[in-house]
Amino acid sequence: DVKVTQSSRYLVKRTGEKVFLECVQDMDHENMFWYRQDPGLGLRLIYFSYDVKMKEKGDIPEGYSVSREKKERFSLILESASTNQTSMYLCASRQPGFAYGYTFGSGTRLTVV
Amino acid sequence: SQELEQSPQSLIVQEGKNLTINCTSSKTLYGLYWYKQKYGEGLIFLMMLQKGGEEKSHEKITAKLDEKKQQSSLHITASQPSHAGIYLCGAGSGGYQKVTFGTGTKLQVIP
Repeated sequence: DVKVTQSSRYLVKRTGEKVFLECVQDMDHENMFWYRQDPGLGLRLIYFSYDVKMKEKGDIPEGYSVSREKKERFSLILESASTNQTSMYLCASRQPGFAYGYTFGSGTRLTVV
Repeated sequence: SQELEQSPQSLIVQEGKNLTINCTSSKTLYGLYWYKQKYGEGLIFLMMLQKGGEEKSHEKITAKLDEKKQQSSLHITASQPSHAGIYLCGAGSGGYQKVTFGTGTKLQVIP
């Protein structure tokens, strides 16, 4: 089975800190994605990547950046964490082509205080 | 941009009862995904529908895409507590590489 691993289940950070959320997949998928999930708003796409060193903005990229130096790893960076970035962050990967569903990680619940 | 509306927003059913969740799109659906999320966890892929009129089943869960490809329904037969969770529909967009999700339907199954 494809596995997508997110480094932390729960994280508490202070306002203004630089935060790194790590995601690793073990099935050689080319596409990787970062979403955030908030009550009433559903899942919103932050960034995605088609390949190593490639990145595309999603629907809500402001305040975030990403890094993909290796195929299996996709990092989400909060440059200066703010309280409105408190959320559940979900990483996903899949093969190219819409016939394939995403495989999601278990999520990181980030609280910014 | 494509918007997906799910109904109902939440549902409480008695174990053994059947139920249906709907997903309606503002645009034609070229790929419709159904996912299930256990509370506080990641999403699990259930199935993907592509063709108008297509129907797929996974255990006691059946999903269908209507002929006009603007609405999908997810039907659970003889619900069990293990079916509880949040069900989300998603639609392919942006050259089908991205998926836009609905806001989800929260299902509780009472034993």
